Amino acid sequence: NAGVTQTPKFQVLKTGQSMTLQCAQDMNHEYMSWYRQDPGMGLRLIHYSVGAGITDQGEVPNGYNVSRSTTEDFPLRLLSAAPSQTSVYFCASSYSPPYAGGYGYTFGSGTRLTVV
Amino acid sequence: RKEVEQDPGPFNVPEGATVAFNCTYSNSASQSFFWYRQDCRKEPKLLMSVYSSGNEDGRFTAQLNRASQYISLLIRDSKLSDSATYLCVVNDAGKSTFGDGTTLTVKP
Repeated sequence: NAGVTQTPKFQVLKTGQSMTLQCAQDMNHEYMSWYRQDPGMGLRLIHYSVGAGITDQGEVPNGYNVSRSTTEDFPLRLLSAAPSQTSVYFCASSYSPPYAGGYGYTFGSGTRLTVV
Repeated sequence: RKEVEQDPGPFNVPEGATVAFNCTYSNSASQSFFWYRQDCRKEPKLLMSVYSSGNEDGRFTAQLNRASQYISLLIRDSKLSDSATYLCVVNDAGKSTFGDGTTLTVKP
């Protein structure tokens, strides 16, 4: 019972490089999301998906792309890394979206990204 | 003003103490509410949902006051292992909004 698996756990990028953060869940959750967590700013939503083939932007989507080709996987792509993207990234999944009520999130263990 | 506000603390309490955190929210149409616990350098983990009638899970009690637009978390008989950051989450029709968290340190 793996839950939500994120890789890598740590990454250092140079400005301008691209990379993909992987997220996979084995709970058959329809709703998946990506958050970034920065000191003093809490968790901010980057992108989310309510099911395979459906994605939408969150609060801070610029510089990031997502896709959802399967229920299980929800990768986050950094197109051209910038120092402002230095953060801790969490993938989270839930049985249903927030507006559908009372299911909380299961979070992955996070990716600590540093852009130099 | 932030949509969800928490007292950042830190709260430093002795073992066995009772401590309470509040979380205020601005959207009166908010639909569901949760408390999460986050240990240092770890992911948030769901602690409990918050129901209108209030709910209890062992030493933890969560309450919702819709009229004043806040939720609360009460921890009784604090343990060293309760030391963590506690995040409130408020869901409305469109999204989840996280508070910045309240840090609790329980000391021997």
